[in-house]
Amino acid sequence: SQTIHQWPATLVQPVGSPLSLECTVEGTSNPNLYWYRQAAGRGLQLLFYSVGIGQISSEVPQNLSASRPQDRQFILSSKKLLLSDSGFYLCAWSRGVGEQYFGPGTRLTVT
Amino acid sequence: KNEVEQSPQNLTAQEGEFITINCSYSVGISALHWLQQHPGGGIVSLFMLSSGKKKHGRLIATINIQEKHSSLHITASHPRDSAVYICAVTGGATNKLIFGTGTLLAVQP
Repeated sequence: SQTIHQWPATLVQPVGSPLSLECTVEGTSNPNLYWYRQAAGRGLQLLFYSVGIGQISSEVPQNLSASRPQDRQFILSSKKLLLSDSGFYLCAWSRGVGEQYFGPGTRLTVT
Repeated sequence: KNEVEQSPQNLTAQEGEFITINCSYSVGISALHWLQQHPGGGIVSLFMLSSGKKKHGRLIATINIQEKHSSLHITASHPRDSAVYICAVTGGATNKLIFGTGTLLAVQP
């Protein structure tokens, strides 16, 4: 069976500090991978998606970047966090255009 | 105007009631998804449908492609059904989700 992991589960970081959130998927190969963010009191928003190693598409211009160094690893990064980066970050995977399966999420608070 | 609209935004029901949440969209889609978000934030996919109707336990999802409308029904609601229900649509080869704003459901015992 397939499993998706995210870590850390919660994170408190000061403004200006770097960020690295990791997502890994087990039990499947060549998944589509997605990073979503849910800001406080707002809906979910797609940040990045990847259809293969090294292939990243950005949906929203922002302070964040994503990388996919391995087939089942997706990393969300920032060099300098802003207060507006606070939110709940969700990683998801799908087989092609199929149903999406979500990770447990990381709650990021920038102080 | 959002591309995916949900109604109502908030819904309070008594245990056992039949519940309907509506979703309308304004873009071409390949599929519509219903998701459930629990208070801790975790999201579970309930349905993915492109036509007709699907049923899983007490949950039923329908879609009318011509009217660009979908409904999620919960029969015999229970307090454990309390969550945010999110409608989302996908279109194109990348499978990107466009989300509605969600419906906060509270089922009281």
